[in-house]
Amino acid sequence: DAKTTQPTSMDCAEGRAANLPCNHSTISGNEYVYWYRQIHSQGPQYIIHGLKNNETNEMASLIITEDRKSSTLILPHATLRDTAVYYCIVRKDDYKLSFGAGTTVTVRA
Amino acid sequence: EPEVTQTPSHQVTQMGQEVILRCVPISNHLYFYWYRQILGQKVEFLVSFYNNEISEKSEIFDDQFSVERPDGSNFTLKIRSTKLEDSAMYFCASSESTGGNEKLFFGSGTQLSVL
Repeated sequence: DAKTTQPTSMDCAEGRAANLPCNHSTISGNEYVYWYRQIHSQGPQYIIHGLKNNETNEMASLIITEDRKSSTLILPHATLRDTAVYYCIVRKDDYKLSFGAGTTVTVRA
Repeated sequence: EPEVTQTPSHQVTQMGQEVILRCVPISNHLYFYWYRQILGQKVEFLVSFYNNEISEKSEIFDDQFSVERPDGSNFTLKIRSTKLEDSAMYFCASSESTGGNEKLFFGSGTQLSVL
């Protein structure tokens, strides 16, 4: 699977948008970009995924650059409950997801 | 919303003992997975399972580990002779199908402590 690079940590203010970057410069054409999060050692929680187009759901938006070498997860109105480790994962057409170290996001009041 | 259920939430065992971790995947899902996370480390893939067979396994998944779907609803991970280094949070996951466009749903985990 293509490698992803994420910042180790970031802070954001409650009520503001949180923009989480991810680089995946070696991504290939059939690989999807997934975002999961893990709140305090709970099970990883699916957020969103996409291939080429930008995606939006009730939790977040995913913006993928045209060359697909990077993406941004946007949490539109961060709350304290969004404090978690966020994982950007590039996934081939196979069975498993491979987790990296992720970005530790702390939402501050 | 359907969810993956894992039992027990905590398991304490003595080194050398056998443990069985249990999972009930989402009912219409056909693909099942086990992951583990040692304290302070990454979430690591162990094994995937489909149609009563292992589809893929990692280097971690050695002969001490086995998986089984004993009936139509449960999916189990057995560790035959536990070691101290098996202490970790074990997560079960399931998906409806496979492929890059298919999301995995995870349970809340079983914390295994080997003494």
